[in-house]
Amino acid sequence: AQTVTQSQPEMSVQEAETVTLSCTYDTSESDYYLFWYKQPPSRQMILVIRQEAYKQQNATENRFSVNFQKAAKSFSLKISDSQLGDAAMYFCAYRSVTGTASKLTFGTGTRLQVTL
Amino acid sequence: NAGVTQTPKFQVLKTGQSMTLQCAQDMNHNSMYWYRQDPGMGLRLIYYSASEGTTDKGEVPNGYNVSRLNKREFSLRLESAAPSQTSVYFCASTRTLTTNEKLFFGSGTQLSVL
Repeated sequence: AQTVTQSQPEMSVQEAETVTLSCTYDTSESDYYLFWYKQPPSRQMILVIRQEAYKQQNATENRFSVNFQKAAKSFSLKISDSQLGDAAMYFCAYRSVTGTASKLTFGTGTRLQVTL
Repeated sequence: NAGVTQTPKFQVLKTGQSMTLQCAQDMNHNSMYWYRQDPGMGLRLIYYSASEGTTDKGEVPNGYNVSRLNKREFSLRLESAAPSQTSVYFCASTRTLTTNEKLFFGSGTQLSVL
């Protein structure tokens, strides 16, 4: 079974600075998808960014980018120019592309605080 | 579009009571999921339905049952609630089981079992 590990329960960043959230995963599969979800206090889960394992190029979405290291099974999220609205829980998630194992497996989350 | 609608938003139960959480999606998605979220545990899959007429256990199915009533609706039932089932429950859906598309989540149900 796949596992996803987020080793940073909490992180803090000053407004306008850059922060990186870590995620590692364990899998024997060669093709899969990785996601970062954001959960603000409203509880609504919001997709931030996604990466397909067969693509070597790191995904980017505006201020959000990932550092995908397939051999190291690492998938970190970089937030540039942090804003107060970025404060939330961030979850890393793994999804298989094959058969019955294809459910989304989440990490335990990282709470990001943004300070003035 | 409403997306994924969960009811109720809040519920308090006494130990041993039963209840059903309702979930409906209007996006013609094939696959639906129930997750629970506990502090420090992230989201854990309870049950999922790959398509209408099928359901499968996830990571933490004990104490729960599900029904995929039709393509739109996927309900979660607690037959005899226990304090350990105090949690926030999320329903979600995707077009297919293996898509790289995002999960669409409901807004969650805060359940307390006393």
